[in-house]
Amino acid sequence: QQPVQSPQAVILREGEDAVINCSSSKALYSVHWYRQKHGEAPVFLMILLKGGEQKGHDKISASFNEKKQQSSLYLTASQLSYSGTYFCGTDKDFGNEKLTFGTGTRLTIIP
Amino acid sequence: EAQVTQNPRYLITVTGKKLTVTCSQNMNHEYMSWYRQDPGLGLRQIYYSMNVEVTDKGDVPEGYKVSRKEKRNFPLILESPSPNQTSLYFCASSSPGTVNSPLHFGNGTRLTVT
Repeated sequence: QQPVQSPQAVILREGEDAVINCSSSKALYSVHWYRQKHGEAPVFLMILLKGGEQKGHDKISASFNEKKQQSSLYLTASQLSYSGTYFCGTDKDFGNEKLTFGTGTRLTIIP
Repeated sequence: EAQVTQNPRYLITVTGKKLTVTCSQNMNHEYMSWYRQDPGLGLRQIYYSMNVEVTDKGDVPEGYKVSRKEKRNFPLILESPSPNQTSLYFCASSSPGTVNSPLHFGNGTRLTVT
């Protein structure tokens, strides 16, 4: 079953912050985040493993709450280059890895 | 350069004509997977392979076949394509698996079945 992402789409002005949520109805082992620009392949952003960790690089960070079976991606002081569709992917088991993606969140940054 | 290569990039075919989409990676990755992407549905997994001769169904395997005879190659076979298989297809690889390693995606194959 696909994880549920929210919101489905968001439009921001440059410099504003965004939060994208990803939740699953099943227990998770890990959560991936990817960004896809129009007409291109998805590009890896980060992986979070169960244990409630938070990761980040540059102005993009993420958290993983395994009890709530959800992850959130935080984009601060957004830049035009952040535009694209963001996907979370979830893995339920270690050793039989079947990464299931959500339906995506389209982020548009305007000047 | 480390990459996942898919061919062809674009393919138009007719219903029932068997086709193969090739996927090759040069990173010695154990894990390979096929996804299809349709508007509003995100990326849905078709098949995946944990290693040579080990394949398993994803969420939407009907109408597709795969094989993993060599570590670097993971072709996707449509034996009798139908119009509902018109989609954008991505091959991806990872090592050792996806739990704690990123997926590397190919550039995609846009398939149209008329």
